[in-house]
Amino acid sequence: QSALTQPASVSGSPGQSITISCTGTFSDVGGYNLVSWFQQHPGKAPRLLIFEVTKRPSGVSNRFSASKSGNTASLTISGLLAEDEADYYCSSYAGDYNYVFGTGTKVSVL
Amino acid sequence: QVLLQESGPGLVRPSETLSLTCTVFGGSITPYYWSWIRQPPGKGLEWLGYVYYSGSAHYNPSLKSRLTILADTSNNQFSLTVTSVTAADTAVYYCAGGTPPDFDSWSQGTLVTVSS
Repeated sequence: QSALTQPASVSGSPGQSITISCTGTFSDVGGYNLVSWFQQHPGKAPRLLIFEVTKRPSGVSNRFSASKSGNTASLTISGLLAEDEADYYCSSYAGDYNYVFGTGTKVSVL
Repeated sequence: QVLLQESGPGLVRPSETLSLTCTVFGGSITPYYWSWIRQPPGKGLEWLGYVYYSGSAHYNPSLKSRLTILADTSNNQFSLTVTSVTAADTAVYYCAGGTPPDFDSWSQGTLVTVSS
């Protein structure tokens, strides 16, 4: 199985919005509404931001939103804050009880 | 929110077996799914597999022949075994809870180094 493709880095200024893409195939992202997004600060465990493509767990800021079109899922961070500087990973069901993560995106706040 | 804590050796010799245990505090492992995920230094996340509390397990196809994940309901734990390790298995290993891919609780992670 291949990792989902994410841009290596995305940057933005405080207050701006940025979008991170997560591209797979019809066998994973495109085939199921089971895409999650995670935030990982350096030296810390990942934190679930989004599940089932668009849903936010309780406690996650509504500045984080997500969507999916075809084989590509997207995470948007609105009103960018310094604390949003972290690595972000998508994950998807890939069929046959198999799951795959994205390659990861480093978000920098300029 | 449950707390997950891994235990196991931080150094494993090449060709030997890596074994980790994850203890769940603040909640029962039933009736949920429990996963192992790893992250080589400076690299991305890799899903290894999951076990349902009943014992049913599923694995990453690329590693399936070397992995075993078991659930121990009596001790509220689940475990990971990786056989025939090489340097490529050096990573921070996380245990996580939640119906995949919605891993909503994570351990702090433990670095396992494969070296002689």
